[in-house]
Amino acid sequence: DIQMTQSPSSLSASVGERVTITCRASQGISSFLAWYQQKAGRVPKLLIYAASTLQSGVPSRFSGSGSGTDFTLTISSLQPEDVATYYCQKYNSAPLTFGGGTKVEIK
Amino acid sequence: QVQLQQWGAGLLKPSETLSLTCAVYGGSFSGYYWSWIRQPPGKGLEWIGEINHSGTTNYSPSLKSRVTISVDTPKKQFFLILSSVSAADTAVYYCARYPILTGYPFWGQGTLVTVSS
Repeated sequence: DIQMTQSPSSLSASVGERVTITCRASQGISSFLAWYQQKAGRVPKLLIYAASTLQSGVPSRFSGSGSGTDFTLTISSLQPEDVATYYCQKYNSAPLTFGGGTKVEIK
Repeated sequence: QVQLQQWGAGLLKPSETLSLTCAVYGGSFSGYYWSWIRQPPGKGLEWIGEINHSGTTNYSPSLKSRVTISVDTPKKQFFLILSSVSAADTAVYYCARYPILTGYPFWGQGTLVTVSS
């Protein structure tokens, strides 16, 4: 089965700083990669699908890139409301594995 | 506009069987795989398994021996059965839709299931 390795597991950055989270698949998954944001006690919210398509209503400071095995989620200017845990997930074929999550905090 | 409404027992005793239903309102039922996902308190997300409109299933290897996912396509509902539950199965359980070719994932609101004696 394909493993999804997400890094870092946590990060602390200043407001306005650019933040990058990476997700690596152990085998190619084309562009079947989604990114989710989960705030404490809330349902995960879809940010990006098809590796780079911004879900409707998501602020444009979020962007996704990559295909095959290496993917990136970028927050161009970190805002206080972006404090959350972020997950990647492959959905090209079963099992639909998640990355381990990245906890983002404000410095 | 698709909506996923899920329900089921929220409190179980060890060794009992977890049973959840997810109803799909709006949108097509074919062209997607319908998944169950769970998240234990304070932990990450775990995919449980999926089914399509014709009943083809795939399961997580770690849960395969205890999981059954089924579908009632005319009613646009799918179901999760997890047998012989233990405290380790305490989690928020989500139903979700995944596109087979194009489209975006979509999740339900989740159901907390607690296993406690």
